[in-house]
This record gives sequence, structure tokens and C-alpha cells, in this order.
Amino acid sequence: EAQVTQNPRYLITVTGKKLTVTCSQNMNHEYMSWYRQDPGLGLRQIYYSMNVEVTDKGDVPEGYKVSRKEKRNFPLILESPSPNQTSLYFCASSLSPGELFFGEGSRLTVL
Amino acid sequence: GQNIDQPTEMTATEGAIVQINCTYQTSGFNGLFWYQQHAGEAPTFLSYNVLDGLEEKGRFSSFLSRSKGYSYLLLKELQMKDSASYLCAVRDRAAGNKLTFGGGTRVLVKP
Repeated sequence: EAQVTQNPRYLITVTGKKLTVTCSQNMNHEYMSWYRQDPGLGLRQIYYSMNVEVTDKGDVPEGYKVSRKEKRNFPLILESPSPNQTSLYFCASSLSPGELFFGEGSRLTVL
Repeated sequence: GQNIDQPTEMTATEGAIVQINCTYQTSGFNGLFWYQQHAGEAPTFLSYNVLDGLEEKGRFSSFLSRSKGYSYLLLKELQMKDSASYLCAVRDRAAGNKLTFGGGTRVLVKP
């Protein structure tokens, strides 16, 4: 089954404790992207990747890192999480930016 | 940058028709996408327009006018399961084909 898998789905953590949200897709898509979704602000792009070893900043990259060492994986790293990073995070993939396939989302709370 | 506007919320009756408008400003328009997102779930792709005119897909249709920077999503024969948020997204070739989302329109279908 074609899918984008994110883990964890839910996480409560504390300020400053490094965490990684993993994202994996099995559709051989070149394009992958991370979004955060907050009430009233819609979906905002954090980082995206056009292909392996190619990543670029989206609209709200501060406080986040990503890597794309393999085509299927695109982890999102929060080196020192802060409460303003409490949000719902979505990973998405596609052949090219447009018809995106989204993961189920990861709800993160930073205390 | 891009500016994408859509109404925040709309209410309609089961069996009726609802039209969700989306206006945008972009320097390198390269496609407009509509997504559906049920509460607590991931967005799913609905439609894509890159040329002017109407694209029909069952009960859902999407229209585009590039000269006016305008699109709408038309939902016919509304069903209760159509209660969801509908997201308009625009791809901009001047920004490396970046996809930017509007804030979404929450549609509530009443019996």
C-alpha cells in the first residue's frame, strides 16, 4: 500500500530536549516536505527536499533541521524544542510539488 | 511572496451546492490545487488546475481563471461526510515550484 509514515504520532516533551520526527515514503517520490499546521495559520512549510542530499528552507525553518540521505526518508529534527513549536506536523511526498501524499500527522506538545 | 485568500467558514445544507472561492497573487503561477482535510486527519488531494476552465470530478468541480487570480471549488449534492476543511494551494515557478497553502475553508454541512 502506498503510504507516508510518520513517527511518533503523538509526543509530549520538555523544552530543550532534542527530538526527531521520522518520515518514510514507499512511493519512490523525489519530493518531500514538512509542514506545521496551527489554528488560524493553515499549513506552513518548514523544509522541503527535491531529491537526495538536496534540502531547502520553507517559510518557517527556524528551530528545525532536516536531512535527506536516502530517497525514502526525510526526518525532522528539533535540536532544542521550545513551546512555540507545539503544533501538528505533517510530512508529505510527491513526484514533484503539487499532488502531495500526506502522512497521518504528528501532534507535538512542548512544555 | 504569495498571498492566498479563502473564506474561513461556510455552512450549507445536505443536498445543496457550495462554492468555495480562492484568490491568489503570485509572480510565477504554475498550478492550483485543492485539498480536503477532515478534522484530525491529513489533507487529501482533490483537484488540480493549471489552464483556465472547469475540471469536473464527480460531485466536485474546480474552476480557474489565471487572468483574475481566481479559483473556486464547487461541491454538488452535498453529503454530511463533506463536512471538512478545504485547502487551496498555489505552485509558483518563480519560487522553485514551491507550493503555498491558503488558510483553508471549513465547510459545515447541516441536515
